[in-house]
Amino acid sequence: GDSVTQMEGPVTLSEEAFLTINCTYTATGYPSLFWYVQYPGEGLQLLLKATKADDKGSNKGFEATYRKETTSFHLEKGSVQVSDSAVYFCALKGTYNQGGKLIFGQGTELSVKP
Amino acid sequence: GAVVSQHPSRVICKSGTSVKIECRSLDFQATTMFWYRQFPKQSLMLMATSNEGSKATYEQGVEKDKFLINHASLTLSTLTVTSAHPEDSSFYICSARPPGGSSYEQYFGPGTRLTVT
Repeated sequence: GDSVTQMEGPVTLSEEAFLTINCTYTATGYPSLFWYVQYPGEGLQLLLKATKADDKGSNKGFEATYRKETTSFHLEKGSVQVSDSAVYFCALKGTYNQGGKLIFGQGTELSVKP
Repeated sequence: GAVVSQHPSRVICKSGTSVKIECRSLDFQATTMFWYRQFPKQSLMLMATSNEGSKATYEQGVEKDKFLINHASLTLSTLTVTSAHPEDSSFYICSARPPGGSSYEQYFGPGTRLTVT
């Protein structure tokens, strides 16, 4: 079945460092891909999305490009801030056989130090 | 933005008892709500999808008699864990989808930590 794999955390960076969180997927068909963020004590929020190959999703300085050839959707940010400390989830919208449900990776905790 | 609340945020119960978790959409009507379970260091696993006024649809492997879901109104869904056991201890998260929203348009609650002793 469809699945999502993220790099393990926690990831600890200094403020203004470059961030990459790797995400790869396995899916039949052409899924849509998402990054969600969960700040401490809050629910998951949609950060960005891409619905077809080569699409780039972006929001709040974060970017991710849908790479079909490598089945990847890595999250990047050029300069992280302390306020970016959160758990990040990569997800895909299941294909027809999955009923269009969201399938999540295991989450990657990011901690940004001043 | 759309806000979803869960109550309680944490609950501890004794083995064999039942516990109810509420999920409310505060500023929109949700025809569909989802219940997820999350184990430490693992992804969210969809347990069931509930539509207002109808029976919930459970994912394969989820015991419907153990995890009772009721979606009685457009702003409230409840998950009742019946005859809880320590292995039911987990983080339970709900999400709500507004009418006409696609499957990714889900607004998530902050989660409920259940500990069964």
